[in-house]
Amino acid sequence: DAGVIQSPRHEVTEMGQEVTLRCKPISGHDYLFWYRQTMMRGLELLIYFNNNVPIDDSGMPEDRFSAKMPNASFSTLKIQPSEPRDSAVYFCASSPPGLASYNEQFFGPGTRLTVL
Amino acid sequence: RKEVEQDPGPFNVPEGATVAFNCTYSNSASQSFFWYRQDCRKEPKLLMSVYSSGNEDGRFTAQLNRASQYISLLIRDSKLSDSATYLCVVNIYGGSQGNLIFGKGTKLSVKP
Repeated sequence: DAGVIQSPRHEVTEMGQEVTLRCKPISGHDYLFWYRQTMMRGLELLIYFNNNVPIDDSGMPEDRFSAKMPNASFSTLKIQPSEPRDSAVYFCASSPPGLASYNEQFFGPGTRLTVL
Repeated sequence: RKEVEQDPGPFNVPEGATVAFNCTYSNSASQSFFWYRQDCRKEPKLLMSVYSSGNEDGRFTAQLNRASQYISLLIRDSKLSDSATYLCVVNIYGGSQGNLIFGKGTKLSVKP
């Protein structure tokens, strides 16, 4: 079975440009998580969805960040406008139905974003 | 106080050694605990859940001490392939919410 799929794997852009990251969760999983990882701050939860509905977006850094999940098999994380401090690895993860706090989260390979 | 705190390491150990990592968490209401492993430039993957009574999976043993709010991971007979960063993960808010908090990780390097 395919795991969590993310695209692109690498993105290099200039400050001020819009960046869109994409994620396809594992089929049958109804939780989807977006994380950001940096050396300084480690792995931080940005937002998570349950059944396509955002449950907690308190980790989204500011209004420049937005996330959508139009259907069970697709989610996007958008940064507009991007800034150099947004440079990080962005991971998407999904987990199966049930109590999310007890279930394994399956991570995608990540998108390495560099904003110049 | 940080929500989930780990010694960043690195821990440099020879093959065959036993090594232990600790992790402390800030919220006594936390209910679920995990160790994830992350290889260099790869995604995190679940190593094992941590149960109240402690649990073992081959060479790996996890313990939970609720009174002191810490979790431990013991690796026996270290292998070169154990070299990775080990992330302590806690459901810091309790309940069934999905927002897990990841520690920054402890780096392990196993040498021949």
